[in-house]
Amino acid sequence: DAKTTQPPSMDCAEGRAANLPCNHSTISGNEYVYWYRQIHSQGPQYIIHGLKNNETNEMASLIITEDRKSSTLILPHATLRDTAVYYCIVRATNTGTASKLTFGTGTRLQVTL
Amino acid sequence: DGGITQSPKYLFRKEGQNVTLSCEQNLNHDAMYWYRQDPGQGLRLIYYSQIVNDFQKGDIAEGYSVSREKKESFPLTVTSAQKNPTAFYLCASSIEGYSNQPQHFGDGTRLSIL
Repeated sequence: DAKTTQPPSMDCAEGRAANLPCNHSTISGNEYVYWYRQIHSQGPQYIIHGLKNNETNEMASLIITEDRKSSTLILPHATLRDTAVYYCIVRATNTGTASKLTFGTGTRLQVTL
Repeated sequence: DGGITQSPKYLFRKEGQNVTLSCEQNLNHDAMYWYRQDPGQGLRLIYYSQIVNDFQKGDIAEGYSVSREKKESFPLTVTSAQKNPTAFYLCASSIEGYSNQPQHFGDGTRLSIL
């Protein structure tokens, strides 16, 4: 699976949009981009995933550049409960066998009043 | 509500003792996974199972064993051969192992050595 690069930490004011970047310049054609977050002492929570089109769900939006070498997770109105470590993961699928999720060190998002 | 249940939340192991961590899911998922997380680090895959009665070793299987006798259950045994078992253990499941559908996680079991 391709390697991802994320900033180690970011701050965001409550009520503002949080934009979390991820670089995955070596991504292959069959690799999806997944975003998870982990609040201390809890299991990772799935947020969103996509291949090449932008995606939106009730939690967030995922913007993938046209060349697929980077993406941005957008939390439209951040709250204090969004404070967590956010992981961007690239994973090959449809390979015929199960594949693991490779978590890096992620971005620690701190939402402040 | 559908989800993944891990128990216990905290577990203590004595030297030379085997312990078993429970993972149950009611999502009707075929694939299940066990990961280990050490402080400040990412997740490492221990074992995974794509279907009942079948499982495969992950990156760090030594000192661990699993079984998959039922679709909804995937228990992990940490044996005495695992010399550094203190960690946060996470169970996950997905509809299929090889599709693009995401893995969903339980809330983990924290294992410590007495």
